[in-house]
Amino acid sequence: GDSVTQMEGPVTLSEEAFLTINCTYTATGYPSLFWYVQYPGEGLQLLLKATKADDKGSNKGFEATYRKETTSFHLEKGSVQVSDSAVYFCALTPRVGGSNYKLTFGKGTLLTVNP
Amino acid sequence: EAQVTQNPRYLITVTGKKLTVTCSQNMNHEYMSWYRQDPGLGLRQIYYSMNVEVTDKGDVPEGYKVSRKEKRNFPLILESPSPNQTSLYFCASWGSFDYEQYFGPGTRLTVT
Repeated sequence: GDSVTQMEGPVTLSEEAFLTINCTYTATGYPSLFWYVQYPGEGLQLLLKATKADDKGSNKGFEATYRKETTSFHLEKGSVQVSDSAVYFCALTPRVGGSNYKLTFGKGTLLTVNP
Repeated sequence: EAQVTQNPRYLITVTGKKLTVTCSQNMNHEYMSWYRQDPGLGLRQIYYSMNVEVTDKGDVPEGYKVSRKEKRNFPLILESPSPNQTSLYFCASWGSFDYEQYFGPGTRLTVT
């Protein structure tokens, strides 16, 4: 079945450091790929998405590129802030007849940014 | 404001005492789903619904029930809770042509 593997945390960085969180996936066909973020005590929010190969999703300074050849969707940010401290989840949804009924998540990566 | 609401946010109960966690969305979404989040396991889907009266099992449905009698509501029912159902539960909803799922704030359940 479908699966998502993301780098284990926790990740601790200083403010303004460069961030990479690796994500690779296994899926049949052409899934859509997502990064969700969970701030402390809150539900998940969509951070960015990409629906086809070579698409780049971006939001709030974060970027990720859908690489079908390496089945990857790594999250990057050039300069992190304390407010970026959160748990980040990579996820995919298959395209089955155009329907979207299931998100498969990675286990999450806790990011802590120190001032 | 577009949102998914869940109640209660926190619940402590005892083994075997039936409980219901409510979920409601105001976006007229066709799809709704329940997930549980556990340390080291990420989020796993419990049940999902494609529309009123249409539901199906996710990855971890054992010990749970759901119903979808109205489009906006998707309650999660634990008829005989057990300690291994202690977890953080999230409800989500999304539209037919939108791949973005909108999540509720979560319900932290403890079963003793």
